[in-house]
Amino acid sequence: EVQLVESGGGLVQPGRSMKLSCAASGFTFSDYYMAWVRQAPKKGLEWVASISYEGSSTYYGDSVKGRFTISRDNAKSTLYLQMNSLRSEDTATYYCARHDTIGFAYWGQGTLVTVSS
Amino acid sequence: EIVLTQSPTTTAASPGEKVTITCLASSSVSNMYWYQQKSGASPKLLIYSTSSLASGVPDRFSGSGSGTSYSLTINTMEAEDAATYYCQQWSSNPLTFGSGTKLEIK
Repeated sequence: EVQLVESGGGLVQPGRSMKLSCAASGFTFSDYYMAWVRQAPKKGLEWVASISYEGSSTYYGDSVKGRFTISRDNAKSTLYLQMNSLRSEDTATYYCARHDTIGFAYWGQGTLVTVSS
Repeated sequence: EIVLTQSPTTTAASPGEKVTITCLASSSVSNMYWYQQKSGASPKLLIYSTSSLASGVPDRFSGSGSGTSYSLTINTMEAEDAATYYCQQWSSNPLTFGSGTKLEIK
């Protein structure tokens, strides 16, 4: 069974940094692209970033480009999102998703990041 | 950036009723993906490559379209279909989602 478990969310002050993790199991992690998708409270889905199998290629949404970094450790089957210079508008539930050729086929339960002083 | 405009924003249907949700793209896309998100839950993939049903999705759901116009149809509404539905494209960067259609049961 595919499982994606996010961690690392919480309350952070504007301008500070935070790193999210996503532990994957139930599939060969290195065989799949992975992604982060976020959802602000009561709002729609927003793609944040995707990463290729070995991490050699990364893709970012315009609102996070230059501030967020997606990475992966295939030996640990773990996906990461380093978030710097956080803003109030980054407040959201962050979902880890397996980015298959057929779309986001599997999603984690999400971790809430609140950016506030 | 390709903007995806969904309509309606909110709608309600009675059990057994047919429901159609439309997604218009600001530029032509080659494929559309559809997700269902129930209250308090993570999104779930429904349709990929415009018209293919994801694993385990009931066949009352279907997708169609091409170019800039795509649609998701629920042939016979059931109470469990009450949710918010999102379209999504990655024909060009950045990947974008529609703003969502909230479907309620009458």
